[in-house]
Amino acid sequence: DSGVTQTPKHLITATGQRVTLRCSPRSGDLSVYWYQQSLDQGLQFLIHYYNGEERAKGNILERFSAQQFPDLHSELNLSSLELGDSALYFCASSVGIGTDTQYFGPGTRLTVL
Amino acid sequence: AQKITQTQPGMFVQEKEAVTLDCTYDTSDPSYGLFWYKQPSSGEMIFLIYQGSYDQQNATEGRYSLNFQKARKSANLVISASQLGDSAMYFCAMREGHRLGAQKLVFGQGTRLTINP
Repeated sequence: DSGVTQTPKHLITATGQRVTLRCSPRSGDLSVYWYQQSLDQGLQFLIHYYNGEERAKGNILERFSAQQFPDLHSELNLSSLELGDSALYFCASSVGIGTDTQYFGPGTRLTVL
Repeated sequence: AQKITQTQPGMFVQEKEAVTLDCTYDTSDPSYGLFWYKQPSSGEMIFLIYQGSYDQQNATEGRYSLNFQKARKSANLVISASQLGDSAMYFCAMREGHRLGAQKLVFGQGTRLTINP
């Protein structure tokens, strides 16, 4: 157990809908990262937050947004969902920034029908 | 752009044998970090081992060691005395970003390791 929690574990929804994925980092970690794992794209970085502030953006679609709250938990919002958004979404956390190891949560498996 | 290459889509190894999973990387940044993660069939990503670009010695963590050859830009994972529980997908990743700034991990496509009894 990495200490990173993600809810829900599974999510099934329809095209056009909006969902929110939640992540709680390890105790003491200030950085949260979101990654998407799909069969065709592999593991891709989406976004990084440090202590409530966005630090880096990767291949994140405009339909997707994220935020990190004062208690350091983070949410990833996915809207106008398409079939291609079906994937495993990981949250990872690290103590700070720079050279710290990222520890991953168990992931949320999103299925868009 | 930084890139990670894992050339072995799948590997089959007998239990108790040692196994080497290949990883090559490409970067022009003198400061970088290399990671290996394990993804069992259950789906979670488990951190195994880390090597920094300035580290003088190869990293080791229990049965895992990282064969770091900087000039060849390779960071192979060695698992000694393989066990049935080692069967999983293994990902090599590189930390991209400034040392004190934002960072992200760039992943390879992974190697599926199967340990046969």
